[in-house]
Amino acid sequence: EPEVTQTPSHQVTQMGQEVILRCVPISNHLYFYWYRQILGQKVEFLVSFYNNEISEKSEIFDDQFSVERPDGSNFTLKIRSTKLEDSAMYFCASSMTEVNYGYTFGSGTRLTVV
Amino acid sequence: GQSLEQPSEVTAVEGAIVQINCTYQTSGFYGLSWYQQHDGGAPTFLSYNALDGLEETGRFSSFLSRSDSYGYLLLQELQMKDSASYFCAVRDNAGNMLTFGGGTRLMVKP
Repeated sequence: EPEVTQTPSHQVTQMGQEVILRCVPISNHLYFYWYRQILGQKVEFLVSFYNNEISEKSEIFDDQFSVERPDGSNFTLKIRSTKLEDSAMYFCASSMTEVNYGYTFGSGTRLTVV
Repeated sequence: GQSLEQPSEVTAVEGAIVQINCTYQTSGFYGLSWYQQHDGGAPTFLSYNALDGLEETGRFSSFLSRSDSYGYLLLQELQMKDSASYFCAVRDNAGNMLTFGGGTRLMVKP
């Protein structure tokens, strides 16, 4: 079964440092997303990406965040200057078409900012 | 703003039936999804309802009433492996963004 792959699985970084979280969506999917989940809390939308541009973003996705699809397979989330409150599990997801067919989520990157 | 309400925790015994409710208040509504998440794992898509009524997929069914802003997930013939968190999520516009509820932790006991 096709999978969404995320690397690394764990990342520890110092406050103020830049991090890049990497994702390889399912190859024939067209829509890509980043969500995050602070421990024990609900899953929160960050950004969606389609046709090489951001299609929607939440209030969480401020100027510290950016996304890129640098080649035909990778989809990255960059946090420029991490804060303690950025500590969370970050999930990448992709979908073929509209959300009614469901997202496929990756297994996540646990980001810890110290 | 958007809000989705689900019970925080439900306990049931193996073989039983359990219903997890979700009520929502959103500015728009295009559909209600359900996701399962085991501890330490990724959310896994279960179902999507855009129209009123019941959708059945094996042991799991999902129901929607748009007039009541309400839906539920029904799990039948519970198995121990069904112990997980279950999230409802609303698509509230024509885009593909989902707003998730706080999740319901289901514990299945022998």
